[in-house]
Amino acid sequence: GAGVSQSPSNKVTEKGKDVELRCDPISGHTALYWYRQSLGQGLEFLIYFQGNSAPDKSGLPSDRFSAERTGGSVSTLTIQRTQQEDSAVYLCASSPQSGVGAYEQYFGPGTRLTVT
Amino acid sequence: AQSVAQPEDQVNVAEGNPLTVKCTYSVSGNPYLFWYVQYPNRGLQFLLKYITGDNLVKGSYGFEAEFNKSQTSFHLKKPSALVSDSALYFCAVRVSGNTGGFKTIFGAGTRLFVKA
Repeated sequence: GAGVSQSPSNKVTEKGKDVELRCDPISGHTALYWYRQSLGQGLEFLIYFQGNSAPDKSGLPSDRFSAERTGGSVSTLTIQRTQQEDSAVYLCASSPQSGVGAYEQYFGPGTRLTVT
Repeated sequence: AQSVAQPEDQVNVAEGNPLTVKCTYSVSGNPYLFWYVQYPNRGLQFLLKYITGDNLVKGSYGFEAEFNKSQTSFHLKKPSALVSDSALYFCAVRVSGNTGGFKTIFGAGTRLFVKA
């Protein structure tokens, strides 16, 4: 595909349920980021993958949050036992680390998560 | 601590007037600086970046930004604002990550309103 894709676009879940959010980055981009944005506010860094290096998980708000990136491509963000404060738009971005566009992040459309 | 700050929550300008959206940063080493824009109901888009070289960088939609090392600033500017420039603007900086690599952190965002 031409850009970063995320699925689902919207997710409504009940408090206490687990959810999985998916991100398909741009092919060839070695860096992948997850952010959270609440109500049109700022971006909260969650986790960062770069190539085969250990991910930087310093932004994950609790141990209910985890993420994987398989084969250096697709990433899944999992939230266990969702809480109402987890409601937000979850954004994924990918970035090349060299060449044209180096370090520029290309964002997906986001997944809007609502926990009821 | 490494950080990026956008001191203004909101900037109001009249169409045709010049606009400035402020950004200051605190990083160790040479900064990599970015501006992104989020139009209503649309995804985040890259505007411009400073890595090295000329302190004045030009980007999309007629925007430019000036890197000022002594003031640790990277203000976004446009000579003549358009109503269609109304959006949420984010400054970002690449900082050292927790796993030996680098990650990008974002400011809180500045909402720009351009009045006709």
